[in-house]
Amino acid sequence: GENVEQHPSTLSVQEGDSAVIKCTYSDSASNYFPWYKQELGKRPQLIIDIRSNVGEKKDQRIAVTLNKTAKHFSLHITETQPEDSAVYFCAARGAGGYQKVTFGTGTKLQVIP
Amino acid sequence: ETGVTQSPTHLIKTRGQQVTLRCSSQSGHNTVSWYQQALGQGPQFIFQYYREEENGRGNFPPRFSGLQFPNYSSELNVNALELDDSALYLCASSLTGNEKLFFGSGTQLSVL
Repeated sequence: GENVEQHPSTLSVQEGDSAVIKCTYSDSASNYFPWYKQELGKRPQLIIDIRSNVGEKKDQRIAVTLNKTAKHFSLHITETQPEDSAVYFCAARGAGGYQKVTFGTGTKLQVIP
Repeated sequence: ETGVTQSPTHLIKTRGQQVTLRCSSQSGHNTVSWYQQALGQGPQFIFQYYREEENGRGNFPPRFSGLQFPNYSSELNVNALELDDSALYLCASSLTGNEKLFFGSGTQLSVL
């Protein structure tokens, strides 16, 4: 089955700096890669996603890149703000008739004011 | 438009007991997935329901079972609870053909 590895597990940055989180996946048939943000005690919230036919996607301060050949994808947050502090999960969905999404183990991002 | 709602928010059970968790999907969504999130880990896929049938399952034993109702709401049942079942159980709804998952706030289950 699909295996998603994520690193780093923790990341501290100064406010205004950039943060990068990297993930690799194992199933070459995976075709959809969402990123979720989970604040303490709250539900995971979809912040950005990318499909396998696209190499990069940007939404304001957040961008995601995908390298299908190397089977890795990354989340980039620019001009970080204290409210960006949370746990971020990458995920991958395999091709198939149902929507099993495999999550990484998470990155705890701390933005220091 | 209402979001995904789960009940109860917290639950304490003892080993060997049975538990039922409930989920109401987001308005217009016809597919429900259940995930288990242990402390400090990413959510793990349990199973998915579509048209009242299970159509995908992760690596969980048969004592984890579910139901989906005609209004697309869903239940997760866990029999013979074990200490390792202590976790946050998340329900996510989606619309067939759209990959985006929308999560509820979860049920925090503690097994003593």
